[in-house]
Amino acid sequence: EDQVTQSPEALRLQEGESSSLNCSYTVSGLRGLFWYRQDPGKGPEFLFTLYSAGEEKEKERLKATLTKKESFLHITAPKPEDSATYLCAVQAFTGGFKTIFGAGTRLFVKA
Amino acid sequence: DAGVTQSPTHLIKTRGQQVTLRCSPKSGHDTVSWYQQALGQGPQFIFQYYEEEERQRGNFPDRFSGHQFPNYSSELNVNALLLGDSALYLCASSKQGDQPQHFGDGTRLSIL
Repeated sequence: EDQVTQSPEALRLQEGESSSLNCSYTVSGLRGLFWYRQDPGKGPEFLFTLYSAGEEKEKERLKATLTKKESFLHITAPKPEDSATYLCAVQAFTGGFKTIFGAGTRLFVKA
Repeated sequence: DAGVTQSPTHLIKTRGQQVTLRCSPKSGHDTVSWYQQALGQGPQFIFQYYEEEERQRGNFPDRFSGHQFPNYSSELNVNALLLGDSALYLCASSKQGDQPQHFGDGTRLSIL
């Protein structure tokens, strides 16, 4: 069964304290892995797409990496405005495109 | 350039009623997907529409149905509402075969 698991469920950091979020997946016919940021009361906002193992993408304080079974979202020197829920999703093709989301990691960054 | 827009933003219904939610995709996008997001959970895929046809469906009962119009906008209909249908309903659009999906801010549906 296709599945996406994110850990930890919640993460509390001090401003400037770097850390990583994990996304592990089992899916057949993987077409891509996506990271989204979601603020309270808002829809998910696209951050990165990764297509193959070894690929890396960076944006400001965020860096996403991909292996054959998991992805990491590294946050370097976070600021309070980085506080949000970070969602991981995989896209599979089984007769059509289907996107499966994890439950997300809630990140709190304290000044 | 307008992104994905959804209406209404909030809705309150009672059990057994029917509801219709609406979505206009981002300009240039032709594929619309609908998701249900319960509190504290990730979005769950309901179905996807392309060329006015349902192309993929998640594990949702037939009470959930949809439609896509020639201008690519879409509706989600839910019949015989249950308390468990209370959630944030998200619409996402993309160009077929081209990712990523872009999301609207959702419709918050509360069932009393």
